[in-house]
Amino acid sequence: DTGVSQDPRHKITKRGQNVTFRCDPISEHNRLYWYRQTLGQGPEFLTYFQNEAQLEKSRLLSDRFSAERPKGSFSTLEIQRTEQGDSAMYLCASSYGTGGSQYFGPGTRLLVL
Amino acid sequence: DQQVKQNSPSLSVQEGRISILNCDYTNSMFDYFLWYKKYPAEGPTFLISISSIKDKNEDGRFTVFLNKSAKHLSLHIVPSQPGDSAVYFCAASEPQGAQKLVFGQGTRLTINP
Repeated sequence: DTGVSQDPRHKITKRGQNVTFRCDPISEHNRLYWYRQTLGQGPEFLTYFQNEAQLEKSRLLSDRFSAERPKGSFSTLEIQRTEQGDSAMYLCASSYGTGGSQYFGPGTRLLVL
Repeated sequence: DQQVKQNSPSLSVQEGRISILNCDYTNSMFDYFLWYKKYPAEGPTFLISISSIKDKNEDGRFTVFLNKSAKHLSLHIVPSQPGDSAVYFCAASEPQGAQKLVFGQGTRLTINP
């Protein structure tokens, strides 16, 4: 498999529950990004890793959100105490080096009831 | 503040003709521009990119044009095929730091047989 993979593809949860998503980037890519997309909008940047270091976070990423990339390979995005406003498609992308194009995974669609 | 704008929410083109999708940006620091194609329930698929040192880049049926003075880019698809029907996003990034992508709102392209 040469692409970015994400798991799960779909998640339905009740308000107040915690959820965790996983992203496996393209193996040689050192940069990993998380984006969020809501209906009718383009993806919006959430956070960025270079290897295992989280170097930038958007103000969209509230304290309920946390992301990790422990060994510089896969990454997890956790949302604590989910709210209905968290319902969206969560996209992961990876790239290599500086100036490289970002390649996206299929996304995880989250629905908070 | 919408730094990247796609002012046409939808576009309908006859099969075999040229499709032209447009994008405008306001941030003069952007130096790398990309087009992505997105099918429902999938992540964006990278199509083509262009650096600000160029004004044109071609890849098969896809050509991207960049007009830096007008802060405008366009994607030309020739000839258009039914499989091109999708939502197209333009995106831009700055050269420094995270190089996170800033996306437009998308244009839904429909190719009619």
